[in-house]
Amino acid sequence: QVQLQESGPGLVKPSETLSLTCTISGDSITSYYWSWIRQPPGKGLEWIGYIYYSGSTNHNSSLKGRVTMSVDTSENQVSLKVTSVTAADTAVYYCARESYDSIGAFNLWGQGTLVTVSS
Amino acid sequence: QVVLTQTPSASASLGASVKLTCTLSSGHSSYAITWHQQQPQKGPRYLMQLNSDGSHIKGDGIPDRFSGSSSGAERYLTISSLQSEDEADYYCQTWGTGNRVFGGGTKLTVL
Repeated sequence: QVQLQESGPGLVKPSETLSLTCTISGDSITSYYWSWIRQPPGKGLEWIGYIYYSGSTNHNSSLKGRVTMSVDTSENQVSLKVTSVTAADTAVYYCARESYDSIGAFNLWGQGTLVTVSS
Repeated sequence: QVVLTQTPSASASLGASVKLTCTLSSGHSSYAITWHQQQPQKGPRYLMQLNSDGSHIKGDGIPDRFSGSSSGAERYLTISSLQSEDEADYYCQTWGTGNRVFGGGTKLTVL
């Protein structure tokens, strides 16, 4: 059974960098694209970006280049960094797997982790 | 850039059926989408991928009560024999070259 588990600090200070990791168990990270999605409290889902094991990435232009993603194939993990955070970055952050046959189609989610930006 | 439009809210009675709609923006009627369910205080759960021809690929363990269909730029999620646990937010999602897009979600209330 494939599982995704997000982890990282639950509290980040304004202007600092948010760092999260998604650990994939039960399958190889090299077979899929992996996306990060976030959900501010009481709001809808927002796609942040995707990464492939080769290191190929793309991200939502609304984040204005503050996003960096990386992959660690030895640990079967993908990571997300968002720099210069503000209160608007407070959200539950999810990682999701994209379909092997339909790249871009999310077909498995992690449980999510809440990140609060506050001093 | 593709845009997905969903009605913000819907309601139906326990045991009845409901049809939720996700509309693709002009010029994108051939796009496939995915449907996701988010129960209160939980993370999203993949329900199905729905193609433009109406064929769909459901997630593991998704009951037969959940089905999908397509017509032009509209993508539908039908839930039959509504149960209390179906009360949730439902999101559609699609993808293009280099981007992924969500609809605004529909909040389903089971009366």
